[in-house]
Amino acid sequence: DTGVSQDPRHKITKRGQNVTFRCDPISEHNRLYWYRQTLGQGPEFLTYFQNEAQLEKSRLLSDRFSAERPKGSFSTLEIQRTEQGDSAMYLCASSKALLRVGMNTQYFGPGTRLTVL
Amino acid sequence: RKEVEQDPGPFNVPEGATVAFNCTYSNSASQSFFWYRQDCRKEPKLLMSVYSSGNEDGRFTAQLNRASQYISLLIRDSKLSDSATYLCAATNTGNQFYFGTGTSLTVIP
Repeated sequence: DTGVSQDPRHKITKRGQNVTFRCDPISEHNRLYWYRQTLGQGPEFLTYFQNEAQLEKSRLLSDRFSAERPKGSFSTLEIQRTEQGDSAMYLCASSKALLRVGMNTQYFGPGTRLTVL
Repeated sequence: RKEVEQDPGPFNVPEGATVAFNCTYSNSASQSFFWYRQDCRKEPKLLMSVYSSGNEDGRFTAQLNRASQYISLLIRDSKLSDSATYLCAATNTGNQFYFGTGTSLTVIP
C-alpha cells in the first residue's frame, strides 16, 4: 500500500451518465497526477496539479473531462456524458516536488476501473 | 513517434535465467527514468529510478545510455514471482511522465 487511495475502486455506469472519482494522495506530496490506462497500454497522462493549481493538461483530454484539487489535498476527476470509449482504469499518482528537476518519483493509487455500458 | 517505446514481448524465460528489457525515449531533454512493475489488474509499483548512468537493487540493474537514448532493466536469477508487466517511464520536468506500453514477462518453472 503506497498511501495513495482512490474511490470508488470500480464503477459501472450507463452511457451518457456523469461519473466522479476521488483521489487522496500521500499527505506530504504536493504533486498529483491523473492517468488513464487501457488493456495492453501503459498509463496515459491526463492532467497534473501542483498544490491546487492545474499546471498541465493533456491535449487528449476532451472537454467532457474535468479535474479539481480545491485545497491542494484530494482531487476529483469528473467525466460528463460518458461514452463506451471512456472505459478504462483511471489511475492517480502523487509525488513530492524536489529541488532537482525531474527527480520526482510517483506513487500510484489502486485505480478506479470504469465500465461504461 | 511515441515518447517512450518498449518491446511488448512476451518474454517467457525459465526460472533462474537472466533477462533484459530495453526502453527507448525520444526526448533528449528527459532527465529522469523509472521502471515500474505492474501485476494484472493492479496499479504500477515503482521498481527502480534512474537519474545518472544506472542503479542496482539486488537482482535488478537499470542502466541509462543517454547517447543512444535508452534505458535497460536486467533481472538476474529470475523467480516465478517476477512474472509481471514491466513499464518504463521518462520525464524531463517532473510535470509530465511518459510511459511505454510495457513488456510482459513470464517466468516458467
